[in-house]
Amino acid sequence: GAVVSQHPSRVICKSGTSVKIECRSLDFQATTMFWYRQFPKQSLMLMATSNEGSKATYEQGVEKDKFLINHASLTLSTLTVTSAHPEDSSFYICSARGGAPEAFFGQGTRLTVV
Amino acid sequence: DAKTTQPNSMESNEEEPVHLPCNHSTISGTDYIHWYRQLPSQGPEYVIHGLTSNVNNRMASLAIAEDRKSSTLILHRATLRDAAVYYCILRDLGGMRFGAGTRLTVKP
Repeated sequence: GAVVSQHPSRVICKSGTSVKIECRSLDFQATTMFWYRQFPKQSLMLMATSNEGSKATYEQGVEKDKFLINHASLTLSTLTVTSAHPEDSSFYICSARGGAPEAFFGQGTRLTVV
Repeated sequence: DAKTTQPNSMESNEEEPVHLPCNHSTISGTDYIHWYRQLPSQGPEYVIHGLTSNVNNRMASLAIAEDRKSSTLILHRATLRDAAVYYCILRDLGGMRFGAGTRLTVKP
């Protein structure tokens, strides 16, 4: 299947700092990318949808000023968690889709805010 | 979004077939049925998808009811590596919304 690479796989940051997570589609052009968050023992929660070159659409309850999403090219989307706090600690996962119905997921990023 | 219902957990013995059911009674005509699985601390892995007809690939088979209100993911011979949470998802054009999924345990 198609490959989606997410980086870093884990990151620890201090409270109040910002963290950027990258998501790349390696062998296809991702017209749409999605960002999810997953807390322990819970399912994935869709945070936002981004189309290349346009602003992301955020799900209800997700703060767009806190979770900045940029989808500047057909192979790269970034999620920046701004002014991170311990409650932002979670497993963040990106997903990318090209022209096919199926989407492919990154390996996930474990964020720990201390 | 149309919702899916799956059992919380299932068990299987290694080398035996596994049938994972999914109910989606409010499915619309343009919804694809997708199956993904997730191992601990990893992103979901694509398994299979279909629209109306049954589908086979190297990982699994997908049997779709004639009225499309239910489907079954079939793993023909379960291995220990198949132990994971399996998600049945309906998708039209937007992002995939995950339910709780079925946690599959494979016993040696």
